[in-house]
Amino acid sequence: DAGITQSPRHKVTETGTPVTLRCHQTENHRYMYWYRQDPGHGLRLIHYSYGVKDTDKGEVSDGYSVSRSKTEDFLLTLESATSSQTSVYFCAIRRDSIYEQYFGPGTRLTVT
Amino acid sequence: GENVEQHPSTLSVQEGDSAVIKCTYSDSASNYFPWYKQELGKRPQLIIDIRSNVGEKKDQRIAVTLNKTAKHFSLHITETQPEDSAVYFCAASTPGNMLTFGGGTRLMVKP
Repeated sequence: DAGITQSPRHKVTETGTPVTLRCHQTENHRYMYWYRQDPGHGLRLIHYSYGVKDTDKGEVSDGYSVSRSKTEDFLLTLESATSSQTSVYFCAIRRDSIYEQYFGPGTRLTVT
Repeated sequence: GENVEQHPSTLSVQEGDSAVIKCTYSDSASNYFPWYKQELGKRPQLIIDIRSNVGEKKDQRIAVTLNKTAKHFSLHITETQPEDSAVYFCAASTPGNMLTFGGGTRLMVKP
């Protein structure tokens, strides 16, 4: 499982509240990604990181921010959660110098 | 940006038959094409991939083919088994390794 954990695994929150999801890796990989998965849309890239403090936007970044202050942790923040952000969120890592991405176990987020 | 379309969205086969899932992509610069299998409630698992300098790759009962000219690639599963039942996703990656995924195919293998 490439040493990836995500927390929390499940969360229910109310519209308008801030939410932070954490992705943690144990193997010091440079590249980390956040995706969301919704029925009929496959997985869509939200943000990614290519090193400590180096991040960039993906396809569906509106309403999300990220931070990476340590190699092992990549945080995804919903500043003010909306019902449209109800989804399953997956973190992924990519080992340096290769193409393959490996996914964490996912976080199911429900915004009521 | 890249756009990946995947067909069919659902596929039902009899155990022992072959299954084929097809994807097309739009960006001719894409150079890496992975396939993921996702069981219910689990994470996507990489099952096979192909790079743009290769036309075909096999791993036991699974094979992937790539036609760069037509910008399409396919997953072939032979001798299907009930444990192959899952959702399969194709993806395409540009040289910056930004993966764009297809919408997924739900494969059901009937015993």
